[in-house]
Amino acid sequence: QVTLRESGPALVKPTQTLTLTCTFSGFSLSTSGMCVSWIRQPPGKALEWLALIDWDDDKYYSTSLKTRLTISKDTSKNQVVLTMTNMDPVDTATYYCARMIVGATIGRFFDYWGQGTLVTVSS
Amino acid sequence: SYELTQPPSVSVSPGQTARITCSGDALPKQYAYWYQQKPGQAPVLVIYKDSERPSGIPERFSGSSSGTTVTLTISGVQAEDEADYYCQSADSSGTSPVVFGGGTKLTVL
Repeated sequence: QVTLRESGPALVKPTQTLTLTCTFSGFSLSTSGMCVSWIRQPPGKALEWLALIDWDDDKYYSTSLKTRLTISKDTSKNQVVLTMTNMDPVDTATYYCARMIVGATIGRFFDYWGQGTLVTVSS
Repeated sequence: SYELTQPPSVSVSPGQTARITCSGDALPKQYAYWYQQKPGQAPVLVIYKDSERPSGIPERFSGSSSGTTVTLTISGVQAEDEADYYCQSADSSGTSPVVFGGGTKLTVL
């Protein structure tokens, strides 16, 4: 049974750095084709992809946010961590982590999602 | 940056067929995926690889592709299908491995 759970602060101040942790179970991030990604959704708005890390420790970032994002994994703890620097009120959103499956014949898609965690940026 | 374009809203009566489109220049070369999101819930995959349906997804959900447009079709729409639907794909250069469309709100009248 695959599960993912996001954890981190519910409130951060402007200019601070946000650190979110995705703790997962039911799969190994060292298995070929497995990735974990972060996606966010501002209230009432669309999904926005942020970053992903794959089984080979390759990392990919949203072009618009790449200077602020860092993604890393701890395979032994089954955790993926996202840091986002210089937080602003426009970064207020629900942040999701999700498992992504990658394959030559299937492309790449998200098959399991966490419940999401709401992060509010306010002084 | 690469974009996927969806209509903001689609409305249908129960029992009718709803069609939600997603357009993008790279879609002839990249698979598309569709997610359903109900209020307060995480998205759920309903179509992968343009037209494949995951196990557990009702047969009334189907997908198709033609040129730069992919379409999610829901036949015999039910009240429970009212939700936001997002397409997802990638650009062809590898710069953006994941891109979401802007989402379509399906309203069941």
